[in-house]
Amino acid sequence: EADIYQTPRYLVIGTGKKITLECSQTMGHDKMYWYQQDPGMELHLIHYSYGVNSTEKGDLSSESTVSRIRTEHFPLTLESARPSHTSQYLCASSEHRGPQHFGDGTRLSIL
Amino acid sequence: GQQVMQIPQYQHVQEGEDFTTYCNSSTTLSNIQWYKQRPGGHPVFLIQLVKSGEVKKQKRLTFQFGEAKKNSSLHITATQTTDVGTYFCAGYSSASKIIFGSGTRLSIRP
Repeated sequence: EADIYQTPRYLVIGTGKKITLECSQTMGHDKMYWYQQDPGMELHLIHYSYGVNSTEKGDLSSESTVSRIRTEHFPLTLESARPSHTSQYLCASSEHRGPQHFGDGTRLSIL
Repeated sequence: GQQVMQIPQYQHVQEGEDFTTYCNSSTTLSNIQWYKQRPGGHPVFLIQLVKSGEVKKQKRLTFQFGEAKKNSSLHITATQTTDVGTYFCAGYSSASKIIFGSGTRLSIRP
């Protein structure tokens, strides 16, 4: 069952555009995460949130920003997309130290 | 900073052979989780281990958590083509921050 939703699934867009990737969960989880993953490679944590109005940068330096105004919503924004941002972006949520539930991801291609 | 190392990076086995992936942390973990990611898919939670020395089984999969709570392993007996994918371990530190291992990609010769 899909309790965490990401849109769009695929996005091809030109350099310099502003992009927002959406992530919503219906499980009431306090913790939410954004990961960047190239095909078949490791997961890189780029942002996380422990609750409303709480956001932290992850281990991978990123030019993106996030916000957490509502528990269920954790959008990620790229102000000016570059080809180096081409990757898959995965959103996840969890309860305290519990299993992470991942969305289907957004495959982003910057031309 | 805290690191979680996972080996091997790749494993190619004949169908029916066993497979093991190992996870090692530089610091003590409060718990460890294992995930499977099929090609083209997203990571899916398999199991969580919490206690020192804990062993859990799911059909052909056996998961272990080390006595010092710094290492873990996943063993698959008699692999099948449905086992293909990348297996990730993930550990929570005392600071409640999760760290994923680099993953082991399993491929299988029918």
